[in-house]
Amino acid sequence: NAGVTQTPKFRVLKTGQSMTLLCAQDMNHEYMYWYRQDPGMGLRLIHYSVGEGTTAKGEVPDGYNVSRLKKQNFLLGLESAAPSQTSVYFCASSYGGESTDTQYFGPGTRLTVL
Amino acid sequence: GENVEQHPSTLSVQEGDSAVIKCTYSDSASNYFPWYKQELGKGPQLIIDIRSNVGEKKDQRIAVTLNKTAKHFSLHITETQPEDSAVYFCAPPNGNQAGTALIFGKGTTLSVSS
Repeated sequence: NAGVTQTPKFRVLKTGQSMTLLCAQDMNHEYMYWYRQDPGMGLRLIHYSVGEGTTAKGEVPDGYNVSRLKKQNFLLGLESAAPSQTSVYFCASSYGGESTDTQYFGPGTRLTVL
Repeated sequence: GENVEQHPSTLSVQEGDSAVIKCTYSDSASNYFPWYKQELGKGPQLIIDIRSNVGEKKDQRIAVTLNKTAKHFSLHITETQPEDSAVYFCAPPNGNQAGTALIFGKGTTLSVSS
């Protein structure tokens, strides 16, 4: 099992460019999440999904869109990148929606917006 | 929503010493209290958790204690080793949000010197 994988690992964008981050999990988990991590801020939830075809907003959703067309994949899109979106992005998945379900994290994508 | 504070932000110890990190939370309805470890260049990984009906849980050199009255829980690492050097996050779930979105503290950077 690869667990949770993320592509790409690094990316540099210019302001206004668009890109899509891909998250894939092979654990047959229903729930998937996108977080961003900024220095001194911990991780903050951007969007999440409770199953294939569903998405919902988290704490900091502005400027991002997501899609969950297949159960194993969760895509995070930036339509018009801004320097404030420079961050490390982590995807996570969990088996179910109970508060005690462990979240498994990918290795992260480091994004720089110039 | 849940408000989480974590102290200290940095902690330096000698190999073999003990380390304690404290997390306070605001939601009295919280019933699950996990600790995550993030090594350099990797995503967070669950290392220990505790549920509200238990006051203490141990797993080899790590333990978590819970004080529901005071609304705080602590991570204890004994006989620290260089490989314990990492960033540690408390991350109680956000009881106000569907699914199991975690509310991360700002993290504690633990450095263990040999």
